[in-house]
Amino acid sequence: GAVVSQHPSRVICKSGTSVKIECRSLDFQATTMFWYRQFPKQSLMLMATSNEGSKATYEQGVEKDKFLINHASLTLSTLTVTSAHPEDSSFYICSARDPVSEFYEQYFGPGTRLTVT
Amino acid sequence: AQKITQTQPGMFVQEKEAVTLDCTYDTSDQSYGLFWYKQPSSGEMIFLIYQGSYDEQNATEGRYSLNFQKARKSANLVISASQLGDSAMYFCASQGLNAGGTSYGKLTFGQGTILTVHP
Repeated sequence: GAVVSQHPSRVICKSGTSVKIECRSLDFQATTMFWYRQFPKQSLMLMATSNEGSKATYEQGVEKDKFLINHASLTLSTLTVTSAHPEDSSFYICSARDPVSEFYEQYFGPGTRLTVT
Repeated sequence: AQKITQTQPGMFVQEKEAVTLDCTYDTSDQSYGLFWYKQPSSGEMIFLIYQGSYDEQNATEGRYSLNFQKARKSANLVISASQLGDSAMYFCASQGLNAGGTSYGKLTFGQGTILTVHP
């Protein structure tokens, strides 16, 4: 299957700083990428849908100024958590949709565990 | 719009036995796809099986099978011959497709079921 990478896998940052997470589709071109947030033992919560070359579509309740998403190329999307606070600590997962896959499958990255101290 | 319900927060099964994880869905889309994912403690999302709404046969992938009952709007996952490595969180998800199948909605996830396999 297709491979999606995410970097970094873990990051610890101080309150008030910004953190950038990268999501790359390694062997296919992804016109659409998705960013999810997950708290322990809970489901994935979709934060935003990112289309290459256009502005991301944020889900209701997600602060677009706090979670900046850029999808600059067909293989790279980035999520920047600005002015991070301890409540932003979470597991962030990206996925990329392969437009030519048999059933419009989303391939998931391995996730990034963010801890804000 | 899609909604997925997984009513079993936790399930236990003895090694080598079969287990069924429940999933019901609600959708206004005429065409849709149903997915099951496994998430071990490492956090990665592992795709297990897919069922299209117009597929007449239940999907099977190795030890995984999907019991699709369209009239009841259920898409239960059956794991046969459970292994210790099957212990993980399992998510049911759905995705809508338009009539032409050329555009598609986002994935909607259920709450998840934590499966524990006992030796």
